[in-house]
This record gives sequence, C-alpha cells and structure tokens, in this order.
Amino acid sequence: SQTIHQWPATLVQPVGSPLSLECTVEGTSNPNLYWYRQAAGRGLQLLFYSVGIGQISSEVPQNLSASRPQDRQFILSSKKLLLSDSGFYLCAWSAGLGQPQHFGDGTRLSIL
Amino acid sequence: AQSVSQHNHHVILSEAASLELGCNYSYGGTVNLFWYVQYPGQHLQLLLKYFSGDPLVKGIKGFEAEFIKSKFSFNLRKPSVQWSDTAEYFCAVISGGATNKLIFGTGTLLAVQP
Repeated sequence: SQTIHQWPATLVQPVGSPLSLECTVEGTSNPNLYWYRQAAGRGLQLLFYSVGIGQISSEVPQNLSASRPQDRQFILSSKKLLLSDSGFYLCAWSAGLGQPQHFGDGTRLSIL
Repeated sequence: AQSVSQHNHHVILSEAASLELGCNYSYGGTVNLFWYVQYPGQHLQLLLKYFSGDPLVKGIKGFEAEFIKSKFSFNLRKPSVQWSDTAEYFCAVISGGATNKLIFGTGTLLAVQP
C-alpha cells in the first residue's frame, strides 16, 4: 500500500533562517505531489504541485519554493523565513489528474 | 475564481442526532467532489468522493453525500452521529480539465456530545 511521510512534525525557526521540509511517498510511482498550508478558519491553500521530476507549479507568490529531485520526493524550502511563514504545512500525493489526494501528517512551523 | 463554501463553521450535536453539512462550489463545468475528515490529532483522510454516475455517494463510517448539479451543492449527511464523529470536515472540488487544483472549503468543526 502507498504511504506518505512528512518531516519534521514540528519545527521552530528564527526569522531569517532557511527552511527545508521533506516529503516522500512510498508504494507508487510517478505520483502527483502537492504542498498545502492550512490556516485556522481558512481551509487549505495550495502552494505548489508537481506532476513529475523537476516540474513545479507555483500557485501563490510567496517566500517559499519547492523542488522535486526524485520521483517520490518533494521538498519545501525557503532561503529566509518570515514571521508570516508560520503555519501548518501539509504534503499530499495523488495518482493522477482529478484523483483523490492523500495527505501526510503535516509540519507545524513556528517562526520566532 | 473557483471557490468552495461551507456555511457551517461550527456544529454541535448530541449523539444519535442527524447531520447535514452544507457545501457549495462556484464552478460551472465538470467537477470531481470530495469530503475529507480530520480527526483530532490525525491527518486528513478521504471520507468520500464523487466523479460521475449516481449523485448519491456512500462513504466510510455511514456518511453519504448528494451531488445536486443545479444547486452546485455536495452536502454531507449522516442519519445518526456518534461521539467518534467529532472532527473537522472539509469539502473540496477539482474542476475539470488538465488541472490538479483541489480547492478546499474553510472547514466545519463538528462536536458531538455524548
């Protein structure tokens, strides 16, 4: 069966520091991969998605970037974190266009 | 722009009460519709989905949802809730075409009192 792993579960970083959140999927090949941010009372906002290695689509302008160095690996990064980057970040995968998305456990990011 | 509206932000019910959570979307073309649930301390899980065919969809744990195209709605229902149904429920839509955009509603927090 397919599984999705996301780490770390929680992270506390100072303003201006870099960020790297990692997500990996097992048990499937060539998944579509997604990064979301979940804010209380605002649902989930799609940040990035990828349909293949090296292919990244950005949904909203922001201080973050995403990369897909391997088929089942999706990384969310920042060179310099802002206070507004605090939040709950979720990685997800799907088997293809229009298919259900399956979510990781999320990373709680706090910026001090 | 496409959007999903969940009208009830916070619902409190007693056990055995019936549940209906509203969801409306704003896209006029072909859509795939989903309800996700997030139990306390757990990750988002797919509850049910609609792609085509019978507009009444059965999901896990006794949940069902009805797609009414003319009303752009996909309401979630359960005849008799249990305390274990306490969770946050999210409606989501993927519009037709070559897109992966899953648009979420803001969520409904359901608290079931024993």
